Amino acid sequence: DAKTTQPPSMDCAEGRAANLPCNHSTISGNEYVYWYRQIHSQGPQYIIHGLKNNETNEMASLIITEDRKSSTLILPHATLRDTAVYYCIVRVAMTGGGADGLTFGKGTHLIIQP
Amino acid sequence: DGGITQSPKYLFRKEGQNVTLSCEQNLNHDAMYWYRQDPGQGLRLIYYSQIVNDFQKGDIAEGYSVSREKKESFPLTVTSAQKNPTAFYLCASTSQTGMNTEAFFGQGTRLTVV
Repeated sequence: DAKTTQPPSMDCAEGRAANLPCNHSTISGNEYVYWYRQIHSQGPQYIIHGLKNNETNEMASLIITEDRKSSTLILPHATLRDTAVYYCIVRVAMTGGGADGLTFGKGTHLIIQP
Repeated sequence: DGGITQSPKYLFRKEGQNVTLSCEQNLNHDAMYWYRQDPGQGLRLIYYSQIVNDFQKGDIAEGYSVSREKKESFPLTVTSAQKNPTAFYLCASTSQTGMNTEAFFGQGTRLTVV
């Protein structure tokens, strides 16, 4: 079963901020929220991840609610090249060995409109 | 440059033949994963491996087999028992040490069985 819920599709105007929501109401205390995106017919690309604090990098910002049951990925100035499927997943950032199944849902298809 | 490489990009096979998809990484990652993606769908986990000579079934392992004889390599064999093998196959790897545990993906192999 998928651990996250995302809307199947969203539109955003070019130049505007794209806000992609994700619900993860059953997240465990040691699970991180990861975001990836997949441009058509390519492998997914890592964007950002976080545990409970908000995070920002050169690609995006991640806002995690205080109860950690949901998060929002923000692309501050969307361009046409940001059109892709965005996946939100939760997993334990393991150290010292051990791997889980790294489960992906269907993601959100973000379409940037010119 | 470090990365994860899948080959070939496109593969055609006749029905009833086994076919092996290659996945190689030079990132020194411990864990490796195979996914299947069908049109308009998310990624479904086939097999994963956290260490050499060990692997676990994912959600849709039937009709597939893997091996992990070297840390760098995780080949996937699509057997004749797989009823609907035509799909886009993605390989990924993650580090299990430190905090940079994001997944790196290959560019995928599109398998068509005729």
